[in-house]
Amino acid sequence: KNQVEQSPQSLIILEGKNCTLQCNYTVSPFSNLRWYKQDTGRGPVSLTIMTFSENTKSNGRYTATLDADTKQSSLHITASQLSDSASYICVVSDYDNAGNMLTFGGGTRLMVKP
Amino acid sequence: DGGITQSPKYLFRKEGQNVTLSCEQNLNHDAMYWYRQDPGQGLRLIYYSQIVNDFQKGDIAEGYSVSREKKESFPLTVTSAQKNPTAFYLCASSSGTSGTGEQFFGPGTRLTVL
Repeated sequence: KNQVEQSPQSLIILEGKNCTLQCNYTVSPFSNLRWYKQDTGRGPVSLTIMTFSENTKSNGRYTATLDADTKQSSLHITASQLSDSASYICVVSDYDNAGNMLTFGGGTRLMVKP
Repeated sequence: DGGITQSPKYLFRKEGQNVTLSCEQNLNHDAMYWYRQDPGQGLRLIYYSQIVNDFQKGDIAEGYSVSREKKESFPLTVTSAQKNPTAFYLCASSSGTSGTGEQFFGPGTRLTVL
């Protein structure tokens, strides 16, 4: 069964600090991995997408890494801001063409305090 | 202004009632999806549709029904058969019928059963 595990479940950091969120997956065959940001009570918004051949991808202060051999990904947030407070969801896609393609992690809830 | 919209934002239902959640997109996407999100859990797929007049069950379809009469609309009905309907419901759409394209999410509907 495809699974995506994220850690930690929740995290509190001070404004301006860096943090790293982890994602381990057992999805096969692998197509791509996305990190989404979800503000409370809102729909998720895509931050980055990474395919099998990509190791690192950045989007502003967000940098995602992917190790396809160990099936691990991380999302690093640099110089955190209060607006970074949200849930971050790791989503892995496989090559199933039947339509049910995505496996979602449970998310990491990040709180940035002043 | 392109995007995907859901209504209402909040919905209250008495036990034994059916309710319908609206999802509309003007992105000209072929595929649409309904997910359920519970606290601390990953999104779970309820139903998806790759083309007009066709849809398939996801992982947790019991107690739900959908229709896809128009490309831009994919309403979800939560029936009285759904035992625990209180949750946050997210609709999404994507351009690729294989599902490997990015899914864009609506703002969600929070359903509470009284």
